[in-house]
Amino acid sequence: EVQLLDSGGGLVQPGGSLRLSCAASGFTFSSYAMGWVRQAPGKGLEWVSTIDSSGSRMYYGDSVKGRFTISRDNSKNTLYLQMNSLRAEDTAVYYCVKDTRQKLPQYFDYWGQGTLVTVSS
Amino acid sequence: QSALTQPASVSESPGQSITISCTGTSSDIGGYNYVSWYQHHPDKAPKLMIYDVNIRPSGVSNRFSGSKSGNTASLTISGLQADDEADYFCSSSTSKTTVIFGGGTRLTV
Repeated sequence: EVQLLDSGGGLVQPGGSLRLSCAASGFTFSSYAMGWVRQAPGKGLEWVSTIDSSGSRMYYGDSVKGRFTISRDNSKNTLYLQMNSLRAEDTAVYYCVKDTRQKLPQYFDYWGQGTLVTVSS
Repeated sequence: QSALTQPASVSESPGQSITISCTGTSSDIGGYNYVSWYQHHPDKAPKLMIYDVNIRPSGVSNRFSGSKSGNTASLTISGLQADDEADYFCSSSTSKTTVIFGGGTRLTV
């Protein structure tokens, strides 16, 4: 059974940093692109970032480019999202997602339970 | 890049059919056959219902179907059931090698 356990959310002040983690199991982690999708309170889904299966190519949404860094450790079956220079508008539930493909961000067939990030003073 | 455009809400009676539209541009929906739809029940993880415009993943009911014409994609749900009541999001790959979602449609059955 595929499981994605995302963690690391919490309350952080504007300008602060946070690192999210996602522990994956139940599939060959190194064979699939992985990513993060977020949902702000009362808003729709927003794709944040994707990393290809090997960890060599990363893709970012315009709203987080230059502030967030996605990475993965295929030896630990774990995905990360380093979030710096956080803003109030980054407040959201962040979902770890498994892509159906290896390379480009496309379709997300498994989702974590979500971890809440709140940016507030 | 702006989100894809979906109606905020739709409603229909059990047993009937409904179609949810999703409008983009030639840089996303119109340019690629990489459209997907997700079902999102409150307090649950979103679920992939359709990909590649009209392909259902294993386990998804054949009451769900997808289509595309020009810059607009559509999700049709036939034989509506109470459990279909949820938020539905469309999504598309874009010319910038990114993914864009629609604003979401709340379906009331």
